[in-house]
Amino acid sequence: AQKITQTQPGMFVQEKEAVTLDCTYDTSDPSYGLFWYKQPSSGEMIFLIYQGSYDQQNATEGRYSLNFQKARKSANLVISASQLGDSAMYFCAMREEEDFNKFYFGSGTKLNVKP
Amino acid sequence: DSGVTQTPKHLITATGQRVTLRCSPRSGDLSVYWYQQSLDQGLQFLIHYYNGEERAKGNILERFSAQQFPDLHSELNLSSLELGDSALYFCASSVHRQTKGTQYFGPGTRLLVL
Repeated sequence: AQKITQTQPGMFVQEKEAVTLDCTYDTSDPSYGLFWYKQPSSGEMIFLIYQGSYDQQNATEGRYSLNFQKARKSANLVISASQLGDSAMYFCAMREEEDFNKFYFGSGTKLNVKP
Repeated sequence: DSGVTQTPKHLITATGQRVTLRCSPRSGDLSVYWYQQSLDQGLQFLIHYYNGEERAKGNILERFSAQQFPDLHSELNLSSLELGDSALYFCASSVHRQTKGTQYFGPGTRLLVL
């Protein structure tokens, strides 16, 4: 089974609108971390936000927030007030306590912000 | 700037050749990961080193090998190159024994095999 699933290959959002990028994960480990990365067309991978499985509150970093629903095993990224510079690929990733030697990445979602 | 450096940024070579990609992790990070990203694809995990020791292997071909040196820099060696090896190769480093240990990525090496 896939450890990380991102079901939206591509999405469009109007500038200044909010957008949610979906991520579901599969693990039986009670302790794990969830990460989101942004990859603009220039290619670099930029860390955006982290959520720990035991964190009581949803993580937020500026315009990025993580809608963490543990029972549903989902960790959706919410970008508020989209900007043209948000156009990029977005990857969800997970690391488990039982095997912290590995990070699991989803297939990514390509976000296009329209002016 | 993530603090992870990779050289070279671009590499063009021919089929059958061998290349070495180099990575220096962030200061204090003992873990180094290598990934391959083919055109419009996700990240394929290749291998993980911690403090000089191999800790995990992913979909790494036998033609590929890696090592981590005492100064913690790492090298990924790709040999008998094929056209399909053309990709963006990332190195990432992290704090090791924490699920919170975020991976920070280098800028990548773009390899083109002609």
